[in-house]
Parts: sequence; structure tokens; C-alpha cells
Amino acid sequence: EAQVTQNPRYLITVTGKKLTVTCSQNMNHEYMSWYRQDPGLGLRQIYYSMNVEVTDKGDVPEGYKVSRKEKRNFPLILESPSPNQTSLYFCASSPTGTGNSPLHFGNGTRLTVT
Amino acid sequence: QKEVEQNSGPLSVPEGAIASLNCTYSDRGSQSFFWYRQYSGKSPELIMSIYSNGDKEDGRFTAQLNKASQYVSLLIRDSQPSDSATYLCAVNSRSNDYKLSFGAGTTVTVRA
Repeated sequence: EAQVTQNPRYLITVTGKKLTVTCSQNMNHEYMSWYRQDPGLGLRQIYYSMNVEVTDKGDVPEGYKVSRKEKRNFPLILESPSPNQTSLYFCASSPTGTGNSPLHFGNGTRLTVT
Repeated sequence: QKEVEQNSGPLSVPEGAIASLNCTYSDRGSQSFFWYRQYSGKSPELIMSIYSNGDKEDGRFTAQLNKASQYVSLLIRDSQPSDSATYLCAVNSRSNDYKLSFGAGTTVTVRA
């Protein structure tokens, strides 16, 4: 089954404790992206990747890191999480960019930072 | 000014009625426009894409695009309780094919 898999689904952590949210897709998509969703603000893009070893900042990259060492994986790293990073996170992929291809979303990761 | 703005809602319509959702965007050169549906606790899923001015129909859904007015809308005809969800408008950046901006969403409730 074609899918984007995120783990974990739920994560509660404390301020400053490094964490990684994994994202994997099995559709051989070139483009992958991370979004966070907050009430009243919608989905905001954190980082995106056009292909292996090619990443760029979205609208809200501060406090996040990503890497794209393999085509299928695009982990999101929070080196020192803070309470304002409490949010619902979505990973998404598409064959090539966002102009003509729909995004396929993962099931989301709900992160709480205390 | 936000890049993509939607009427905040919530929008409540009776079953069988037409639900009308509106979206405006600031990037005049945007070329690609999408409507995603998101059920509570779930991830967004694409329901419509539109690239040219005018109307595009798919079943009970009609997307309307007016680039001159920087306006895109979604009509849901014969609304069903299963249409109760949050609808997200998304607009592709003219200058960056890898950047997709979303509105905050409009929550629709269809009353049986």
C-alpha cells in the first residue's frame, strides 16, 4: 500500500531533550515536506526536500533540522525542544514539487513539550 | 497580509444544501490551487485541484477560480453529514514550485 509513515503518533517530552520524528514514504517520491498545524494558523511549512541531499527552509524553520540521506526517509529533528513547538506535525510527499501533484500526508505526530 | 486566507467559519448547513467556501490569496502569479479535506484527528486529503480560470466540477464538488480577483472557492452541492470536516485551501507559489501555502481552514458541519 502506498503510504507516508510517521512515527511516533504521540510524543510527550520535556524542554531541551532532543527528539526525532521519523517519516518514510514508499512511493519513490522526490519531494518531501514537513508541516506543523496549530489552531487558527493552519498548516505551516517547516522544511522541504526536492531530492536526496537537497533541502530548504519553509516558513517556520527555526528550532528544527532535517536531513535527506535516502529518498524514502525525511526525519525531523528538534535539537532542543521548547513549549512553543507543541503542535501537530505532518510529513507529506509528492512525485515532484507541489505545482501539479497532490501531497500525500502521513497520519501526523502530536508533540507536547512541557 | 496572510498568503492564503479563508472565511473562518464554522459553517453550518442543513443536509442537502449547498456549502460555499471561499479563499483569497496574495501571490498574484500563483498558478496551482488545491482544496484539501481534513476530518477531525486525521490528515488532509486532496479533493480538488484547479489551474485555469473558471469552474471545475467533480461529483458534488465544484471549484471556481478567478485569478484576476485572486479568489478561489469550493461549492459542495447536496451536502451530506459525511462532508462535515475542515476544508483547507492551498496555493502554490509562483516563484517556488516547492512551496505550498495553506489557509487556516473552514470547518463545515452538515446538520442531518
